[in-house]
Amino acid sequence: ELKVEQNPLFLSMQEGKNYTIYCNYSTTSDRLYWYRQDPGKSLESLFVLLSNGAVKQEGRLMASLDTKARLSTLHITAAVHDLSATYFCAVGNNDMRFGAGTRLTVKP
Amino acid sequence: KAGVTQTPRYLIKTRGQQVTLSCSPISGHRSVSWYQQTPGQGLQFLFEYFSETQRNKGNFPGRFSGRQFSNSRSEMNVSTLELGDSALYLCASTLQGAMNTGELFFGEGSRLTVL
Repeated sequence: ELKVEQNPLFLSMQEGKNYTIYCNYSTTSDRLYWYRQDPGKSLESLFVLLSNGAVKQEGRLMASLDTKARLSTLHITAAVHDLSATYFCAVGNNDMRFGAGTRLTVKP
Repeated sequence: KAGVTQTPRYLIKTRGQQVTLSCSPISGHRSVSWYQQTPGQGLQFLFEYFSETQRNKGNFPGRFSGRQFSNSRSEMNVSTLELGDSALYLCASTLQGAMNTGELFFGEGSRLTVL
């Protein structure tokens, strides 16, 4: 069965700092997705990565995909408080499987 | 364009009862997936429907069932409720066909509390 692992699971950052969240998955896939969830809310799509080497950027977030290594990264640049949320990576087609999530807290 | 709509948003049931949750996908989306989210187990895939057919099923007992109607709306049912069924149930829809990226669009969820 497809396994999706994220690390770290908890991340506390100072504003202005950089950090990377990692997502590993166990079977071959050329697609990977990143979602954001705010407390008490649903999931919001952040990035859709559709091929090896894909890189997407939105504001202070940048996601990349290495299908050969079965690894995706979500890089946070100069973190701000508004980025505090839980971030999930997900892999799959019609049965998408999610990682456990990384709970990010950005402190002033 | 309306998003994914789930009803009810909140409900409280007692053990042994059953519950039906409803999901209306984004117009034009024909695939509907259901997920259970709990603090302990995270986001777990329940099942996925396309054109009224269940294409994929997660590792849940038979008490969890679903269906999809010809207008792509979907329902899921949980019978003989247990305390452990307390969770946020999320529905997501996606576009199928040549333009499909597989991106899921989620509803706000139905929060079920079993007492």
